[in-house]
Amino acid sequence: GENVEQHPSTLSVQEGDSAVIKCTYSDSASNYFPWYKQELGKRPQLIIDIRSNVGEKKDQRIAVTLNKTAKHFSLHITETQPEDSAVYFCAASPGGGGNKLTFGTGTQLKVEL
Amino acid sequence: GAVVSQHPSWVICKSGTSVKIECRSLDFQATTMFWYRQFPKQSLMLMATSNEGSKATYEQGVEKDKFLINHASLTLSTLTVTSAHPEDSSFYICSARVAGGSTDTQYFGPGTRLTVL
Repeated sequence: GENVEQHPSTLSVQEGDSAVIKCTYSDSASNYFPWYKQELGKRPQLIIDIRSNVGEKKDQRIAVTLNKTAKHFSLHITETQPEDSAVYFCAASPGGGGNKLTFGTGTQLKVEL
Repeated sequence: GAVVSQHPSWVICKSGTSVKIECRSLDFQATTMFWYRQFPKQSLMLMATSNEGSKATYEQGVEKDKFLINHASLTLSTLTVTSAHPEDSSFYICSARVAGGSTDTQYFGPGTRLTVL
């Protein structure tokens, strides 16, 4: 089955700086890669996703890059703000139908003033 | 759009009792729903995939007789934790995928905090 590794487990940045979280996956059949933000005790919220037919996707301060050959993808947050502080999870899926998501271990991001 | 609700949001029960958790898609139909369990400071672990009108598919190591899943309609799936024990205490979250769409996006419910005394 799929195995997703995520690094770092914790990340502390100054407000205004950029944050990068990296994930690797094992199953070459995976073609859908979402990123979720989860605040303490709340539901995961989809913040951005990418499919394997593109290498990069951007939405305002958030971007995701995908390297299919190396089987890794990354989340980039620019101009970080205190409200970006949360746990971020990457995930991978073969996509289509009811195919399941395999989640990474999570990154606790803390944006300090 | 694409709102998923869960009920209850939290529950405390005695060891040995059964607890039912509901997952509803409020503004869309979901042929497939997923049930996850999340322990404190850990990732989401898929327990089972729930398909409307058919039996659920359980992940390896998840006891199907202990975690009963029913997906009787396109908007409702239920998870029943039978004979709950303290080690079943966890955050249970469901997600739903929009039926008929090409998207793979899963929308998550707000979760149910289960505490077994």
